[in-house]
Amino acid sequence: EDKVVQSPLSLVVHEGDTVTLNCSYEVTNFRSLLWYKQEKKAPTFLFMLTSSGIEKKSGRLSSILDKKELSSILNITATQTGDSAIYLCAVAGNAGNMLTFGGGTRLMVKP
Amino acid sequence: KAGVTQTPRYLIKTRGQQVTLSCSPISGHRSVSWYQQTPGQGLQFLFEYFSETQRNKGNFPGRFSGRQFSNSRSEMNVSTLELGDSALYLCASSLRQITGELFFGEGSRLTVL
Repeated sequence: EDKVVQSPLSLVVHEGDTVTLNCSYEVTNFRSLLWYKQEKKAPTFLFMLTSSGIEKKSGRLSSILDKKELSSILNITATQTGDSAIYLCAVAGNAGNMLTFGGGTRLMVKP
Repeated sequence: KAGVTQTPRYLIKTRGQQVTLSCSPISGHRSVSWYQQTPGQGLQFLFEYFSETQRNKGNFPGRFSGRQFSNSRSEMNVSTLELGDSALYLCASSLRQITGELFFGEGSRLTVL
């Protein structure tokens, strides 16, 4: 059974801080690892990492996939209050769009 | 471009009843997936439909079912509701069957009393 574990469970930082969120996985026939941000209801897509694309960056957010360690990190630099959300890590195997999600990391950024 | 639309947004049912939830994907998206989100279990995959066919199914009892119509709209049904079915049901659409980049709707919040 595929499994995704995220740490820490929650995190409180101040604006301007840099945070690192962790994701480890066990999956049969790994195809990709994805990061989503969930602020209220609908998770929104951030990054997809694959064997051919192990590092992604968008503005203050960046992510790296370590296929040897079966893990990924999501970095957020110069955090803002708008970064407060639950960050979800998910992995995809060979079964279409069936994703296995981790429990999420709840990030709170204080002014 | 309109996003994924789910209806109803909130509903309250009692044990033993059944419920039908609806999802309209982004125009042009042919893959629709359903997920259940609860505080204890997080996001769990229910099923995925592509071109009106169920392609994958998660580890849920047969009380959970779904279908997809020719216009890619999808419905899911839960029969004989149990208290543990209380959850946020999220629908997600994508352009292709194998992508992983899912666009989620706001969800349907089901409360079972």
